[in-house]
Amino acid sequence: AQSVTQPDIHITVSEGASLELRCNYSYGATPYLFWYVQSPGQGLQLLLKYFSGDTLVQGIKGFEAEFKRSQSSFNLRKPSVHWSDAAEYFCAVVFPMDSNYQLIWGAGTKLIIKP
Amino acid sequence: DTEVTQTPKHLVMGMTNKKSLKCEQHMGHRAMYWYKQKAKKPPELMFVYSYEKLSINESVPSRFSPECPNSSLLNLHLHALQPEDSALYLCASSQPPRRGGTWGAFFGQGTRLTVV
Repeated sequence: AQSVTQPDIHITVSEGASLELRCNYSYGATPYLFWYVQSPGQGLQLLLKYFSGDTLVQGIKGFEAEFKRSQSSFNLRKPSVHWSDAAEYFCAVVFPMDSNYQLIWGAGTKLIIKP
Repeated sequence: DTEVTQTPKHLVMGMTNKKSLKCEQHMGHRAMYWYKQKAKKPPELMFVYSYEKLSINESVPSRFSPECPNSSLLNLHLHALQPEDSALYLCASSQPPRRGGTWGAFFGQGTRLTVV
């Protein structure tokens, strides 16, 4: 079955340290890939997306993500986190054969920032 | 303008009440969505409107009734809800999917609904 896995329920990082959040998908072909961020009690903000082309994607707020076909992964990175990055991060995919482009969501990773 | 605006931000309603959630976007998007999100969970798709027509209804109970009056507005009418319907209700919009094109869904800030 098609699925999205975020293996880390929560991650704690010191302010100023680097960050990597993991996302893996299970699908025979390359899906369209997205990262969203959700601050407490807020809606979802699109950080970045990958459809094709360059496998390193730049997003907003200093985030980037790298698509690795061989590992079926789309990990999110930031070189230096700020306290304001504390939030829930969701990886999501759209499978191209789905004409409705329904987002399939990972379970989310909660990012905690240590001062 | 890349905003999806939802009102109200918070809503408390009794199980016999009728209320409506509203969503508005001015990005020219022709697809609009309602999602339900419980705490610590990803969003669950409820309804999709494409070109103002209901295209997806994910087996949502009839106490939730969507309406798309025009291409910019999406409503969710609520009636006889249950306490387990308490959740964050998110609206999103996008261009309809198109082969070979990019796509992205933009979300509003949500309405925090509490049913008492």
